Amino acid sequence: AQTVTQSQPEMSVQEAETVTLSCTYDTSESDYYLFWYKQPPSRQMILVIRQEAYKQQNATENRFSVNFQKAAKSFSLKISDSQLGDAAMYFCAYRSPIVLGNEKLTFGTGTRLTIIP
Amino acid sequence: KAGVTQTPRYLIKTRGQQVTLSCSPISGHRSVSWYQQTPGQGLQFLFEYFSETQRNKGNFPGRFSGRQFSNSRSEMNVSTLELGDSALYLCASSRDTDQTEAFFGQGTRLTVV
Repeated sequence: AQTVTQSQPEMSVQEAETVTLSCTYDTSESDYYLFWYKQPPSRQMILVIRQEAYKQQNATENRFSVNFQKAAKSFSLKISDSQLGDAAMYFCAYRSPIVLGNEKLTFGTGTRLTIIP
Repeated sequence: KAGVTQTPRYLIKTRGQQVTLSCSPISGHRSVSWYQQTPGQGLQFLFEYFSETQRNKGNFPGRFSGRQFSNSRSEMNVSTLELGDSALYLCASSRDTDQTEAFFGQGTRLTVV
């Protein structure tokens, strides 16, 4: 079974600075998907960024980028120019390809990010 | 384009009762998944439905069940509620293909007293 570990329960960063959230995972599969989701106080999970394991290039979405190290099974999220609206719980998640018949997302325990004005 | 809609948003039930939660996916999405979120256990997968068939099931007791209708709307039911069932229940929808993005609703906060 796949597992996802987020070792930082809480992080804080000064507004406009850069912060990196860590995530490691364990799997025996060679093809899979990794995600970072954000859950603000409104509770709705919002997709921040996704990475396909077969792609070597790290995904980037505006101020959000990942450092995907497949051999090390590491998937960290970097937030640049942090903004007050980035304050939320961040969850790392893993998913197998549909062909394996396992649609579920396996989540880490989350990292609470605080932005200091 | 409307997002994933979950109803009700809040619910208070008594131990032993049963409850039904509803999820309307994004138009055109045929896969609906349910997750339970608690402070102690985090986010845990309950089940996933596709075209009215349960495709995957998490490690939850039989008191937890679900179904999906022909319009892709899904319901989950919890019978004989226990205090430990108090949680935020999240629904996510996605398309049929290996398009991997799951869109979540705002959840239903269930409190069992």
